[in-house]
Amino acid sequence: DTAVSQTPKYLVTQMGNDKSIKCEQNLGHDTMYWYKQDSKKFLKIMFSYNNKELIINETVPNRFSPKSPDKAHLNLHINSLELGDSAVYFCATGTSGASTDTQYFGPGTRLTVL
Amino acid sequence: AQSVTQLGSHVSVSEGALVLLRCNYSSSVPPYLFWYVQYPNQGLQLLLKYTSAATLVKGINGFEAEFKKSETSFHLTKPSAHMSDAAEYFCAVTNSGGYQKVTFGIGTKLQVIP
Repeated sequence: DTAVSQTPKYLVTQMGNDKSIKCEQNLGHDTMYWYKQDSKKFLKIMFSYNNKELIINETVPNRFSPKSPDKAHLNLHINSLELGDSAVYFCATGTSGASTDTQYFGPGTRLTVL
Repeated sequence: AQSVTQLGSHVSVSEGALVLLRCNYSSSVPPYLFWYVQYPNQGLQLLLKYTSAATLVKGINGFEAEFKKSETSFHLTKPSAHMSDAAEYFCAVTNSGGYQKVTFGIGTKLQVIP
């Protein structure tokens, strides 16, 4: 069983469209994250949820809206997609959100905006 | 604010040679430090972490790292490189209190030459 799964794996879309990426975990962890990895492999945190509550909200355009319907799911909705949104988006989980937590990453969703 | 600096975005070693990937940190409080590895087209996975216990930390796949406060370093080493070690390696630092917020380095791509 995959611990952290993301769908879709690849997403190609036109500028201006709205799209969603889904993340599911079966680890029973309390904390979930969204990261963006750009073309130079730089990885930056976007959001963090703990028990469905938003904990970290980095300087991300408000076109990005995370939603956590339950502890096992964290989805990312992106409105009005722009060329600069092209990247690989990773979902990750942590046991409790403590600073010493190991994070468990999903396989990533490669978003290409044309 | 905490940060890590990875020296060398690309490192090449011969199979069987020593692997040394450098990471220096900056933090106003004692840090927690991590090394993650990313294989092509995959998410990150933890190699090892320092959480203020032993300064020499052993991880998976024969890797280890030593926390040196005097040098503000947390370099990753492996005595003998294997072809399967070819990947991107990320050093990371987190805050020591509150919910975890990870800051990643830019990554070092390790090439292993047969």
